[in-house]
Amino acid sequence: SQTIHQWPATLVQPVGSPLSLECTVEGTSNPNLYWYRQAAGRGLQLLFYSVGIGQISSEVPQNLSASRPQDRQFILSSKKLLLSDSGFYLCAGLLPTGNEKLFFGSGTQLSVL
Amino acid sequence: AQKVTQAQTEISVVEKEDVTLDCVYETRDTTYYLFWYKQPPSGELVFLIRRNSFDEQNEISGRYSWNFQKSTSSFNFTITASQVVDSAVYFCALRRGAQKLVFGQGTRLTINP
Repeated sequence: SQTIHQWPATLVQPVGSPLSLECTVEGTSNPNLYWYRQAAGRGLQLLFYSVGIGQISSEVPQNLSASRPQDRQFILSSKKLLLSDSGFYLCAGLLPTGNEKLFFGSGTQLSVL
Repeated sequence: AQKVTQAQTEISVVEKEDVTLDCVYETRDTTYYLFWYKQPPSGELVFLIRRNSFDEQNEISGRYSWNFQKSTSSFNFTITASQVVDSAVYFCALRRGAQKLVFGQGTRLTINP
């Protein structure tokens, strides 16, 4: 079965510091990968998605960027964090058939202070 | 453009009551997929159901049932005889092909004993 490993589970960072969240996939090849953010008390916002190595689509203009250096690796980054970047970040994957359910990582709670 | 609207931000009911969570979607595609996910306090997203746009049959799984109506672009979720363990945030989502999955804002459901 497919699994997404996401770390760390919690992260506290000062404003202006860089960020790197990593997500790796096991159990499948060539998945579509997604980064979502959930602000406190709010819904899931799609940030980026990737259909393959080096292919990144950005959904909202912001302080973040994403990269996919390997098929099963998806990285969310920032050069300088803002207070508004705080939230719960979820990595998700979708099998290449496109018909299966999205499978999620366990999430990273990011607090920018 | 794709959009999912969950107009009910929060719902609170007493245990054993039936409750329906509304979901209305917008898409210009003829082929698409609809999903419901549950997010318990732990934060992970739990897949509940997937429905494709060509299958309008309603589905029942235990105390859960889903009503898909293309004529009104709705995909509502009903919990019968609710239980305290049903308390969570529930998300409706829409996906076109193998591309991005768009979530609604979520409905926080609280079941009181």
